[in-house]
Amino acid sequence: QVQLVQSGAEVKNPGSSVKVSCKASGDSFNTYAINWVRQAPGQGPEWLGSIIPLFETPIYAQNFQGRITITADKSTTTAYMELHNLSFEDTALYFCARGGVRGSYSYFDFWGQGTLVTVSS
Amino acid sequence: DIQMTQSPSSLSASFGDRVTITCRASQSIGTWLAWYQQKPGKAPKLLVRMASILESGVPSRFNGFGSETDFTLTIRDLQPDDFATYYCQHYSDDSITFGPGTKVDLK
Repeated sequence: QVQLVQSGAEVKNPGSSVKVSCKASGDSFNTYAINWVRQAPGQGPEWLGSIIPLFETPIYAQNFQGRITITADKSTTTAYMELHNLSFEDTALYFCARGGVRGSYSYFDFWGQGTLVTVSS
Repeated sequence: DIQMTQSPSSLSASFGDRVTITCRASQSIGTWLAWYQQKPGKAPKLLVRMASILESGVPSRFNGFGSETDFTLTIRDLQPDDFATYYCQHYSDDSITFGPGTKVDLK
């Protein structure tokens, strides 16, 4: 059984960056994509990007290109998502989620508990 | 980019009812579609993948159907645990997009 445990809530100033971690336990960390999804209050989920730890090359949603960095540490089975130049509109619940099949684009079968990121001055 | 729409945005139903949620893609996506159930403050839960394949452990009262651009999620014999928000998700070789959601609440 796969478990994804995320880091705690963050409060950030506009223009700063936030880094959220996602610690995976269970099987096959290296070969399934870890995805990042966010959900603003009252909105549907929005996919930010993903990484397959074995290949170490992230892919990013077009809307976040240049403002997001996704990495993975195979030694600690932990994935990270860093979002830069935060604005108030980035206030959301951020989830990591495992891809259900091998490959970069998939449905998501296991999810972290979510990390609330609040951007406030 | 492929856009996903859902209808209705919300519906009210009673225990034991049958409800159907519709998801439409802006262009053909084959059967690359998943459905999720989400409760407030929690992560989405995968119900259906490949448009019609029920995830292990999901009750058989849930049914996914459709292909190309038009998809449905039907819940028959609505149970107390089914009152939630439901999202469709498209996944393909170059994009992942969620629908805006359908909230199912108690009439």
